[in-house]
Amino acid sequence: GAGVSQSPRYKVAKRGQDVALRCDPISGHVSLFWYQQALGQGPEFLTYFQNEAQLDKSGLPSDRFFAERPEGSVSTLKIQRTQQEDSAVYLCASSLVPSGGYLSYEQYFGPGTRLTVT
Amino acid sequence: QQPVQSPQAVILREGEDAVINCSSSKALYSVHWYRQKHGEAPVFLMILLKGGEQKGHEKISASFNEKKQQSSLYLTASQLSYSGTYFCGTEDSNYQLIWGAGTKLIIKP
Repeated sequence: GAGVSQSPRYKVAKRGQDVALRCDPISGHVSLFWYQQALGQGPEFLTYFQNEAQLDKSGLPSDRFFAERPEGSVSTLKIQRTQQEDSAVYLCASSLVPSGGYLSYEQYFGPGTRLTVT
Repeated sequence: QQPVQSPQAVILREGEDAVINCSSSKALYSVHWYRQKHGEAPVFLMILLKGGEQKGHEKISASFNEKKQQSSLYLTASQLSYSGTYFCGTEDSNYQLIWGAGTKLIIKP
């Protein structure tokens, strides 16, 4: 029944490795967001999907970051050639309705994936 | 541009009140408030929309001054469970919430 789930919960990667982070949103939720949260900071927007369409990817910090949601449900955030500055908690959130106009519905957050790059 | 939250931290005794402020330099469509406990996901508290509509929990109140681009969250008769970090997220363009750095609230018995 669930809420938003993310896997893995913890990931340790050596610098230069590729990682893939998974998000299972609440069933039927149209909107899906990825955020990056550094220790002691608020989440920072990475990208937004409406169903399978990636409508905004302006927050992705570099071309090493790539996100997809091919069937409009599960989403994967991939980071290639990880760097130490990529260490953070990656949060996924979903929302019931599309954000046309403005964000008028609550976002349900997953527990996050804590990525540590050594 | 990141909204500014104040105070950065506040310590209360159970039963006391607190106000957390969120200020932006840009015109806003909406302001969102969430609470995050250590190691957990942010949890929705309130949305305040341009034009005056509000959505949120009954026991939480907040204000949104569109002209001043400011919002305040009011916590009354605080309980131990209110402890956590409070984030405001401001929307100045479609789809993107820009989050403040958070206000850490500690409630002591």
